[in-house]
Amino acid sequence: EPEVTQTPSHQVTQMGQEVILRCVPISNHLYFYWYRQILGQKVEFLVSFYNNEISEKSEIFDDQFSVERPDGSNFTLKIRSTKLEDSAMYFCASVLAENTEAFFGQGTRLTVV
Amino acid sequence: GDSVTQMEGPVTLSEEAFLTINCTYTATGYPSLFWYVQYPGEGLQLLLKATKADDKGSNKGFEATYRKETTSFHLEKGSVQVSDSAVYFCALTPRRGNTPLVFGKGTRLSVIA
Repeated sequence: EPEVTQTPSHQVTQMGQEVILRCVPISNHLYFYWYRQILGQKVEFLVSFYNNEISEKSEIFDDQFSVERPDGSNFTLKIRSTKLEDSAMYFCASVLAENTEAFFGQGTRLTVV
Repeated sequence: GDSVTQMEGPVTLSEEAFLTINCTYTATGYPSLFWYVQYPGEGLQLLLKATKADDKGSNKGFEATYRKETTSFHLEKGSVQVSDSAVYFCALTPRRGNTPLVFGKGTRLSVIA
């Protein structure tokens, strides 16, 4: 069964460093998302991506964040200069078409020290 | 804005007990409603969904009915198993194109033999 794959599963980084979280969505899907979950809190939407551009973003997704789909398969989330409060589980999701099921990856646990 | 409130966990039940996890929502219009499940070490998986009032979603013995009058989508299972131990997330998406999911905080369920 097709699945969304995220790497790495766990990333530890020093405050101020840049991190890139990687996702391989399901190959024929058209809509891509990043969500995050700070420990003990809600899963929060960060950004959606369609047709090679950001279609929607939340207030959390400030200038420190960026997304790319560089090669038609990978979908990356970059955090330019990490802060302690960026520590969270980051989930990637892909959707085939409007109003269809979102498929999620296993998540990347980011720990900023 | 749109929001989802679900009961606080953790919930601990004995095998074969009846499960209810409450979920209420606030949304404009008529959202689609979902329950996602996260088993230990895995990503979010769609458990069931309902797209209009009075619809009942069901899967793996779990059920939830879309109640517009009470803005609720409570998850139930008649007889839980140890393998149901997981975190359960209630979520909604408004019906305007492929908008992102709005999640509740999640409820951790532990089933003991």
